[in-house]
Amino acid sequence: ETGVTQSPTHLIKTRGQQVTLRCSSQSGHNTVSWYQQALGQGPQFIFQYYREEENGRGNFPPRFSGLQFPNYSSELNVNALELDDSALYLCASSRNGPEQFFGPGTRLTVL
Amino acid sequence: EDQVTQSPEALRLQEGESSSLNCSYTVSGLRGLFWYRQDPGKGPEFLFTLYSAGEEKEKERLKATLTKKESFLHITAPKPEDSATYLCAVTTDSWGKLQFGAGTQVVVTP
Repeated sequence: ETGVTQSPTHLIKTRGQQVTLRCSSQSGHNTVSWYQQALGQGPQFIFQYYREEENGRGNFPPRFSGLQFPNYSSELNVNALELDDSALYLCASSRNGPEQFFGPGTRLTVL
Repeated sequence: EDQVTQSPEALRLQEGESSSLNCSYTVSGLRGLFWYRQDPGKGPEFLFTLYSAGEEKEKERLKATLTKKESFLHITAPKPEDSATYLCAVTTDSWGKLQFGAGTQVVVTP
C-alpha cells in the first residue's frame, strides 16, 4: 500500500510569486486535506476536498486555492506569496472517516 | 471559541522514566481526538483515535486515555527512539477537519 506522497520536498520563492504544491493520496483514499505548519506550531487546517469539490475551509484567504483530480490527487495553489507563508505544507488523506494520514510535507521558504 | 491546549511544551526524560502528556480541549460536539507523533521536518505519524470518554488505547510503550475535557498520553519506560513532538488534535465532524494543539516536544536521553 502506497502512502501519501508530496512534491516538491523543498521550494524557495520570492514575495509576490505564485506556487503550486502537489499531493498523491494513499491508495483507496478519496478525501484530501491540506494543512499549514509554521515552525514550532501545530498544523492549521487550510481546506479539504472530497470527490473534486471543496468540503470545508479554514481561516485562510482566497489566495489559497486547491484542486482535486479524478484520481484523488490534489494541488494547493498560493498566489501573491507573503513572507508569513513560509511553512511546512502538509497533505493528509482519508477514506470514509476522520482518521487522517499525512504525507512528508513540502517546506516552502518565501524570501 | 474551540481550543486545544497541550502541556508541557517540552519534556526531558531519562530512559526508563515514565511520564504523561496532557491535551485539554474546549470544543462543542467532539467527534474524535487524535494523537500523532512528528519527527523533525517530517509529516505527523498517526498513533491513536479516541471517540468517547473512558476509552483507552495502547501501542507499545504508549497509552492514550480520554475524559470529557482532556486526554493523556502516557509513555511507559521510554527509550531514546521515543524522542519526538507529540501532537494532539480534535475534530467536530465526521470528515476529520482537525484542530491541533501546539505539541509537546519529548527528549529521552540514555
